[in-house]
Amino acid sequence: GQSLEQPSEVTAVEGAIVQINCTYQTSGFYGLSWYQQHDGGAPTFLSYNALDGLEETGRFSSFLSRSDSYGYLLLQELQMKDSASYFCAGLEDDKIIFGKGTRLHILP
Amino acid sequence: ETGVTQTPRHLVMGMTNKKSLKCEQHLGHNAMYWYKQSAKKPLELMFVYSLEERVENNSVPSRFSPECPNSSHLFLHLHTLQPEDSALYLCASSQVPGQRASGAEAFFGQGTRLTVV
Repeated sequence: GQSLEQPSEVTAVEGAIVQINCTYQTSGFYGLSWYQQHDGGAPTFLSYNALDGLEETGRFSSFLSRSDSYGYLLLQELQMKDSASYFCAGLEDDKIIFGKGTRLHILP
Repeated sequence: ETGVTQTPRHLVMGMTNKKSLKCEQHLGHNAMYWYKQSAKKPLELMFVYSLEERVENNSVPSRFSPECPNSSHLFLHLHTLQPEDSALYLCASSQVPGQRASGAEAFFGQGTRLTVV
């Protein structure tokens, strides 16, 4: 089975850059995804890495190193609206398993 | 609008009640999921239906009973729940994750906020 570890909270300043790390252990692995969830809302998909390297989508980038069982989400030019929880998710067979989530606090 | 609709959005039920949560997706996906999200806890996978067959039970108590009559609809039948079952129940759909070309993008409904009294 899978387990994904990520920090419970991260704090950053508006306009800055923040990196949220995720390490995983899995017996089978197809890729790593990232989701954003605002308070009271549903998780929404941000990105997916099937292969090693960096995927960029606007201000958000996601990185995967399969040899290190490690990935991260990079958020640039932080805005107050980016305050949310961010989940990494592992893809295994027919299941999408989520990490515990990282609460991102943004200071003005 | 995410393409995944859950009803009801809020539900208060007594411990002796029987109720059902409904999820509907219009995205042409062939996998559907129930997740439980409690306060300050991670998303917990409860059930997975892939190609309309249940592939994961995840040691969920029998007071939760899923039903997937077709690839577009998913139900979670509830009976004799406990107060600790109060949580946000999220439904999601995706293409079968094993089909790697489609990635791992799951679409979530807005959830049902369940309170057991």
